Amino acid sequence: KNQVEQSPQSLIILEGKNCTLQCNYTVSPFSNLRWYKQDTGRGPVSLTIMTFSENTKSNGRYTATLDADTKQSSLHITASQLSDSASYICVVRPQTGANNLFFGTGTRLTVIP
Amino acid sequence: NAGVTQTPKFQVLKTGQSMTLQCAQDMNHEYMSWYRQDPGMGLRLIHYSVGAGITDQGEVPNGYNVSRSTTEDFPLRLLSAAPSQTSVYFCASSPGTARNEQFFGPGTRLTVL
Repeated sequence: KNQVEQSPQSLIILEGKNCTLQCNYTVSPFSNLRWYKQDTGRGPVSLTIMTFSENTKSNGRYTATLDADTKQSSLHITASQLSDSASYICVVRPQTGANNLFFGTGTRLTVIP
Repeated sequence: NAGVTQTPKFQVLKTGQSMTLQCAQDMNHEYMSWYRQDPGMGLRLIHYSVGAGITDQGEVPNGYNVSRSTTEDFPLRLLSAAPSQTSVYFCASSPGTARNEQFFGPGTRLTVL
């Protein structure tokens, strides 16, 4: 069964600290993986996309990594800011099915001053 | 561009009532979709459309109807609301298919009593 699992479910860090969020998936064959940021009361917004052949992709203080062999991705946030407080959702697209997407349940990050 | 807009932002219904959640996008995207987001669960696809006049069921279509008469609009109809439909509903659009970045609306929080 295709699944996407994220950990931890929630995380609290101090402003200025770094953190890493994990995404493990069983979707196969795999096409690409996106990380979305969802602020409270808003819709998700895409942060990064990674295809099968990519290992690392950065977007400012956000860096996503992908290990297609172990089916793991991580999102690293550097020098966290209060505005990073949000849910981060991992979304995996398989190679088959133009409209198939598998969503993780998200990690709720809270950055405190 | 306004992007993806949804109305209303909040709604309370009584069991058995019907209503329509509105969704519009001004990006000329072919693909539009409706998701529901429940605590502890990933976004789940209700219905989607790959273009005007074409709709299809997603993972959890029961109790919902959609139509796509124009490229811009994709309303979601609840036929006879049930407490199990209490959720946050997101409309999304993307150019081409769901394999491309999806742009989400701000969501509608629906409570069915």
